[in-house]
Amino acid sequence: DAGVIQSPRHEVTEMGQEVTLRCKPISGHNSLFWYRQTMMRGLELLIYFNNNVPIDDSGMPEDRFSAKMPNASFSTLKIQPSEPRDSAVYFCASRHSGNTIYFGEGSWLTVV
Amino acid sequence: GQQLNQSPQSMFIQEGEDVSMNCTSSSIFNTWLWYKQDPGEGPVLLIALYKAGELTSNGRLTAQFGITRKDSFLNISASIPSDVGIYFCAGQASGTYKYIFGTGTRLKVLA
Repeated sequence: DAGVIQSPRHEVTEMGQEVTLRCKPISGHNSLFWYRQTMMRGLELLIYFNNNVPIDDSGMPEDRFSAKMPNASFSTLKIQPSEPRDSAVYFCASRHSGNTIYFGEGSWLTVV
Repeated sequence: GQQLNQSPQSMFIQEGEDVSMNCTSSSIFNTWLWYKQDPGEGPVLLIALYKAGELTSNGRLTAQFGITRKDSFLNISASIPSDVGIYFCAGQASGTYKYIFGTGTRLKVLA
């Protein structure tokens, strides 16, 4: 079975540009998480969806960040406008009804 | 955000040696997960623990769910070069969806 699929794997963009990260969760999983990983702060939960509905977005750093999940097989994380401090690895993870979450390979974002 | 205390922060060991690492929390958890992250990749699930006292193995890896439910341990026996990476623990409290991640243990194996 395919795991969590993220795109792009790597993106370099200029400050002020819009960035859109995409995620396809594992088929049949009903929970989706977006995490950000940095050296300083480790893995931070940004937003959590359950059955396509955002349940907790308290981890979204500011209004420049937004996330959507229009259907069970697709989610996006958007940063507009992007800033250099947004440079990080962004992970999408999904879960079925159990307690185990599975991560994608991540999107490496560099904002210059 | 909130993090678990994971130790050691890093380890340099000789190939063939055994490795031990642990995570501690001030909160009680009902699930502990252990992940390994290779450079340039996402965390990959190694072992999941669901019950206090549970001891689970996955090849050369063994993990235990602490009896107090506030800690967990991961052991790697007879380390090999491909064990290199960062190991993360994650805990989930009962009735919540949030997983709190440890700060990671960086393992380097010297051949």
